[in-house]
Amino acid sequence: GAGVSQTPSNKVTEKGKYVELRCDPISGHTALYWYRQSLGQGPEFLIYFQGTGAADDSGLPNDRFFAVRPEGSVSTLKIQRTERGDSAVYLCASSSSATSGTREQFFGPGTRLTVL
Amino acid sequence: EDKVVQSPLSLVVHEGDTVTLNCSYEVTNFRSLLWYKQEKKAPTFLFMLTSSGIEKKSGRLSSILDKKELFSILNITATQTGDSAIYLCAVGRPMRFGAGTRLTVKP
Repeated sequence: GAGVSQTPSNKVTEKGKYVELRCDPISGHTALYWYRQSLGQGPEFLIYFQGTGAADDSGLPNDRFFAVRPEGSVSTLKIQRTERGDSAVYLCASSSSATSGTREQFFGPGTRLTVL
Repeated sequence: EDKVVQSPLSLVVHEGDTVTLNCSYEVTNFRSLLWYKQEKKAPTFLFMLTSSGIEKKSGRLSSILDKKELFSILNITATQTGDSAIYLCAVGRPMRFGAGTRLTVKP
């Protein structure tokens, strides 16, 4: 079956602009995660959804970052007033459940965001 | 503060060598430790370890967890050029990743 998909694969924007990054998880996966990965670092947790609700958004760096998952499937990560420091690869992952302990997460190919 | 430290940060070996990658951790909410392989963009799952002393094995890769000393090792025997990648370990909930070990296997 299809894996996690993310669009766009690359996004170049100018400082101060607004961007939206999309994640389409594996069908039936209730848990969805967003991570940010900078060069030479491991993925850094941003937010996770269980169904439609954000169960943990403690990793969002500031209020310019926001994510939604209105129907419990596709999720959109929104970044307002982008800054050069936001440049990174944004990874999305999904798993079958997050409520009964850690489950294997399946990652998408990521969106490489470059803020000029 | 939770932390996950991987060593070495990079490693260059020749085909056929055996390598051992290390992951030590301090997290407040431990449930399991996971190893991932990252070749281009998407990390791919290797192992999930929850119990001390029980080795998980898949082909030439194996891993073991020590919950008393708070570390795990990932072993790769008879390395091949296709093993070249960044190996990540992750612990906790939400998952906290180490910086990874970049393995390069030369022919």
